[in-house]
Amino acid sequence: SAVISQKPSRDICQRGTSLTIQCQVDSQVTMMFWYRQQPGQSLTLIATANQGSEATYESGFVIDKFPISRPNLTFSTLTVSNMSPEDSSIYLCSVGAGNQPQHFGDGTRLSIL
Amino acid sequence: AQRVTQPEKLLSVFKGAPVELKCNYSYSGSPELFWYVQYSRQRLQLLLRHISRESIKGFTADLNKGETSFHLKKPFAQEEDSAMYYCALRDSSYKLIFGSGTRLLVRP
Repeated sequence: SAVISQKPSRDICQRGTSLTIQCQVDSQVTMMFWYRQQPGQSLTLIATANQGSEATYESGFVIDKFPISRPNLTFSTLTVSNMSPEDSSIYLCSVGAGNQPQHFGDGTRLSIL
Repeated sequence: AQRVTQPEKLLSVFKGAPVELKCNYSYSGSPELFWYVQYSRQRLQLLLRHISRESIKGFTADLNKGETSFHLKKPFAQEEDSAMYYCALRDSSYKLIFGSGTRLLVRP
């Protein structure tokens, strides 16, 4: 399976600031997804990162809060904007291709003070 | 509505005992089901997918469309099986819908 690198692995941020999380894959993949895992909760899909077009957001998530880029088939970024303590979560990137199962990065553990 | 339900937050068993982690789903189409596992301090990783019909680390899971279930089973639990287990459903747009997870604790 593809090797997925996520950066940063963790960060502590001030309220009101923004943080960009990077997801790099060692091979071209057709699908990239961003998930959020709030403390003690399961994973919830934020959006599907589409190469060359705007991301597809799930209900409850908006582009102004979670802008996503996907300039090519191996790289994507997720920005968490204007952060508040409620945004403290683990953010995970996953990749998939066709009928193959999704594989996940290590995640970014984000804490907002 | 599409939904995955894992009724047990915690399942505690003794080493050598059988294990069954329950998963029920709600989906209008033909589902594709997975089990993911997260060991302590490791990334979430795929354990099983229903179409493979294989046994991984002694675990098996059978899709029962009549009961809309995809329970994970192992006849003899080992201490190294202690982890968080997530059942997930993949929809027609390849998105994953996760259950709330079950923490398996295997006691010596």
